[in-house]
Amino acid sequence: GAVVSQHPSWVICKSGTSVKIECRSLDFQATTMFWYRQFPKQSLMLMATSNEGSKATYEQGVEKDKFLINHASLTLSTLTVTSAHPEDSSFYICSARDRGTGYNEQFFGPGTRLTVL
Amino acid sequence: GEDVEQSLFLSVREGDSSVINCTYTDSSSTYLYWYKQEPGAGLQLLTYIFSNMDMKQDQRLTVLLNKKDKHLSLRIADTQTGDSAIYFCAESMTGGSYIPTFGRGTSLIVHP
Repeated sequence: GAVVSQHPSWVICKSGTSVKIECRSLDFQATTMFWYRQFPKQSLMLMATSNEGSKATYEQGVEKDKFLINHASLTLSTLTVTSAHPEDSSFYICSARDRGTGYNEQFFGPGTRLTVL
Repeated sequence: GEDVEQSLFLSVREGDSSVINCTYTDSSSTYLYWYKQEPGAGLQLLTYIFSNMDMKQDQRLTVLLNKKDKHLSLRIADTQTGDSAIYFCAESMTGGSYIPTFGRGTSLIVHP
């Protein structure tokens, strides 16, 4: 149980294009989903927190118009990197909390490797 | 300085014990976690400890917490090659909606 998937697992795109990454909770309903960014040899940096049906809360320094987050259902959140540039290349990881347990554990997806040429 | 600090690398021989150390700064931390990340994958929660505990053991894993020194350690007994991964220490607080703050991770390399 408690499986989180991400799609795609990796993507290469040209500079200036937009890329959408999906995060799904497969066997539970997620009240809250989180989006992280991880640079090589670095920690996970929380980008934003999204609750189903409401606007995402972005961390300081994260451009909300650059990183669009939509949490349309209790099992799906999407992150769209708009007008991507090489500096957006990174490993993006989502996580989700199980609505049913009420426990604060986050279940992490396998991550999406974005490379912007 | 960073909120959660870890050494970046640890190399051990297969069968030996591994000890990964972590220090944190916030004394109001409620939960302290250890996550494992294998190459190209997301994070897997290995274990966690409440701040009012000193020790927790789960099979080959032993977590020790020294609240006075704000020091957390993860001991892996009988380390195997499959334990090679990056291990992240993290803390969370009640006031922070339990969202973990992660360290930079310790790369554990297990060699034969």
